[in-house]
Amino acid sequence: KAGVTQTPRYLIKTRGQQVTLSCSPISGHRSVSWYQQTPGQGLQFLFEYFSETQRNKGNFPGRFSGRQFSNSRSEMNVSTLELGDSALYLCASSLGDRLPYEQYFGPGTRLTVT
Amino acid sequence: SQQGEEDPQALSIQEGENATMNCSYKTSINNLQWYRQNSGRGLVHLILIRSNEREKHSGRLRVTLDTSKKSSSLLITASRAADTASYFCATVETGANNLFFGTGTRLTVIP
Repeated sequence: KAGVTQTPRYLIKTRGQQVTLSCSPISGHRSVSWYQQTPGQGLQFLFEYFSETQRNKGNFPGRFSGRQFSNSRSEMNVSTLELGDSALYLCASSLGDRLPYEQYFGPGTRLTVT
Repeated sequence: SQQGEEDPQALSIQEGENATMNCSYKTSINNLQWYRQNSGRGLVHLILIRSNEREKHSGRLRVTLDTSKKSSSLLITASRAADTASYFCATVETGANNLFFGTGTRLTVIP
């Protein structure tokens, strides 16, 4: 099976702009989770989508949003970018409907905000 | 929020030595998983241990789980330079349907 893919891999944006990142899960996986990773805060959970519904949510401001399509592909959007949003954004997919919820990660999108 | 705390935060050893890293968590869990992340890349699943298991092996990896102490350890035997990476524990709380990741241990194996 093909692995989790994320596009784009690298992105440079300016403060105040908005950005959309895309994640295609492993075929058959219905859950997609998003994480933000920075040197200072480590790996932080953003949200998880399962069958097109947001099922779990981390503690991030409303500028961070996401959605999932009927084919399980997911997008996350960050509006009004701030310098602190510079990070590696990781998505992970899993079957999502049964334990143990093992996750398979994509390579990440490196976002730089200037 | 992050469920697990890992210790040490960083570990540096010589090739051939064993590396041990620890993870502590706060609530009742269904299972605990260990992941590895090479610099700036995605995480890779290494091994999973269920709450009713005490020890598990996979190749050079040995994981233990002590639910009474809410802690786990990952032992990598006969380390290699290629083991240099960050290692994260992640837990699935009882009744939950997602993972919570720990803070990670940065392992450096010196050739």
